[in-house]
Amino acid sequence: KQEVTQIPAALSVPEGENLVLNCSFTDSAIYNLQWFRQDPGKGLTSLLLIQSSQREQTSGRLNASLDKSSGRSTLYIAASQPGDSATYLCAVEPFNAGKSTFGDGTTLTVKP
Amino acid sequence: DAEITQSPRHKITETGRQVTLACHQTWNHNNMFWYRQDLGHGLRLIHYSYGVHDTNKGEVSDGYSVSRSNTEDLPLTLESAASSQTSVYFCASSEFGAGGYNEQFFGPGTRLTVL
Repeated sequence: KQEVTQIPAALSVPEGENLVLNCSFTDSAIYNLQWFRQDPGKGLTSLLLIQSSQREQTSGRLNASLDKSSGRSTLYIAASQPGDSATYLCAVEPFNAGKSTFGDGTTLTVKP
Repeated sequence: DAEITQSPRHKITETGRQVTLACHQTWNHNNMFWYRQDLGHGLRLIHYSYGVHDTNKGEVSDGYSVSRSNTEDLPLTLESAASSQTSVYFCASSEFGAGGYNEQFFGPGTRLTVL
């Protein structure tokens, strides 16, 4: 059974800092890995999706990498801003089914 | 723009009542999912569907049912609501083909309270 872990559970940084969020998974036979952002009381917003054949994806100040062999993905946020404060979740989808396993998320607070 | 809508956004009901949560997507996606989100448990899959008339159980399906009569809608029914089903419910959709790579898109959620 796939298990997805996100450490740390919470992170607080000053504005302007570059930061890395981590996502680990136990089964490397994945179809894709997706990073989401969730604001309090809101739904999940897709940030980046990395296919199993890719190593990384970039969108603006966000860069997500994937290392299947080690079962790890990282989400890099450059020049953090208070508006980046949210919970970030990763989800891993296996090859044999279209349903994902989610991590519990990392709650990020960026202080002005 | 394509979207997923959920209704109602908030619902309070009593133990034992039947409740139906609606999910409607205009992405024309074949895959649809229902999750519940609880503190300490993260997002857990309740039911999912890969197309019209297809439904499958997720990891926490007891007490819930779904039916898929068209591409756009996947209503979630709580047959006899229990306090343990107090939660936030999210609907999502995705598509395998046409370069979609099964990227999931989520609705805004329904907050359900069972008294």
